[in-house]
Amino acid sequence: LAKTTQPISMDSYEGQEVNITCSHNNIATNDYITWYQQFPSQGPRFIIQGYKTKVTNEVASLFIPADRKSSTLSLPRVSLSDTAVYYCLVGGDNTNAGKSTFGDGTTLTVKP
Amino acid sequence: NAGVTQTPKFRILKIGQSMTLQCTQDMNHNYMYWYRQDPGMGLKLIYYSVGAGITDKGEVPNGYNVSRSTTEDFPLRLELAAPSQTSVYFCASRDRVETQYFGPGTRLLVL
Repeated sequence: LAKTTQPISMDSYEGQEVNITCSHNNIATNDYITWYQQFPSQGPRFIIQGYKTKVTNEVASLFIPADRKSSTLSLPRVSLSDTAVYYCLVGGDNTNAGKSTFGDGTTLTVKP
Repeated sequence: NAGVTQTPKFRILKIGQSMTLQCTQDMNHNYMYWYRQDPGMGLKLIYYSVGAGITDKGEVPNGYNVSRSTTEDFPLRLELAAPSQTSVYFCASRDRVETQYFGPGTRLLVL
């Protein structure tokens, strides 16, 4: 399973753009990159997933360079409600039964 | 769809007691997982299942057992509870690549 490395914590202010980078040097050819968000006392929630280049949905963008050894989750114009822990996961299809290592994630604190 | 449901929400156990944490999903997903999350830490995989009748160990399986008799249900059994098993337990199911859907969790306290 690919190991991921993320910053332990980040601070931001309301209205700013936040970029969280995840390193995954040993990513495999069939691995996807998925980000989850977790609020206190809740289970993680899917945010976005990508394989290469850029993916955008209604809540975030995911940037993946050509070598795929890292990825950046971008949250535009964060609000206080975006304060949460963000996890980067790297995993393939059914080759490893979807097992993933969550790691400790990045705690994002948005200040007023 | 209710998604992934877990019961109970909270439980206090005495050392040496046993219990079963229930997990049910109504999305017809083949893959299901059990994680534990200690305070301030990430999730650690306990057991997983790729379909009815098939289960396998994750990172931290000791002290736990699972079964998967149907696609919908994936109960986690704790035998001889220990204080080290105090944690929040999350069940998840998966559809396509790496998109897991999590239940609300069960908070367990072993005293």
